[in-house]
Amino acid sequence: DTGVSQDPRHKITKRGQNVTFRCDPISEHNRLYWYRQTLGQGPEFLTYFQNEAQLEKSRLLSDRFSAERPKGSFSTLEIQRTEQGDSAMYLCASSFVQKTNEKLFFGSGTQLSVL
Amino acid sequence: AQTVTQSQPEMSVQEAETVTLSCTYDTSENNYYLFWYKQPPSRQMILVIRQEAYKQQNATENRFSVNFQKAAKSFSLKISDSQLGDTAMYFCAFMSEYGGATNKLIFGTGTLLAVQP
Repeated sequence: DTGVSQDPRHKITKRGQNVTFRCDPISEHNRLYWYRQTLGQGPEFLTYFQNEAQLEKSRLLSDRFSAERPKGSFSTLEIQRTEQGDSAMYLCASSFVQKTNEKLFFGSGTQLSVL
Repeated sequence: AQTVTQSQPEMSVQEAETVTLSCTYDTSENNYYLFWYKQPPSRQMILVIRQEAYKQQNATENRFSVNFQKAAKSFSLKISDSQLGDTAMYFCAFMSEYGGATNKLIFGTGTLLAVQP
């Protein structure tokens, strides 16, 4: 069990470009979450998957954002036509849902800077 | 909607001393979970401690303990025998236990704790 892995750790891009981040959850975790964290703030929920199904999306997730988890394992988060306001840390978390006991384990995040 | 408030942006404590970080929350639900996460400079969120709202007993994990006051909607974190490695941002978080819901975490704005040698 190697923990939640995110790639890349840092991404610098120019405004208008598309970027894609990857998250590999802890194996056999059936839930995967994406959060966004801006400087000085706590993480904010973006979306989550149970297995391969995307079950909820936050209003923060504009139509420029898309997330997938095609085989219920790794997930990708794509941002199209990036804007400077997209600059943030994007955190992935995974969990295994049991009846009354869910703990989220976070990755180290992808820091996005849009110039 | 649930909210989490951390009113202490920064705190400082001497090594080996005890410090308490405050957190209040607002919810109309009766069953939920509360968490404290630590985020060191590496920025990875690390779970420190977890409390189920239906349990009256305060959770403890080694040097970390909580004071959970359900009626007051208060959830403070006490760190005993503070160590230099405890220096980090600490986030309080809420999770609903509402059946079938997202179970997403709602975070406060964090408290930056500095442990001084």
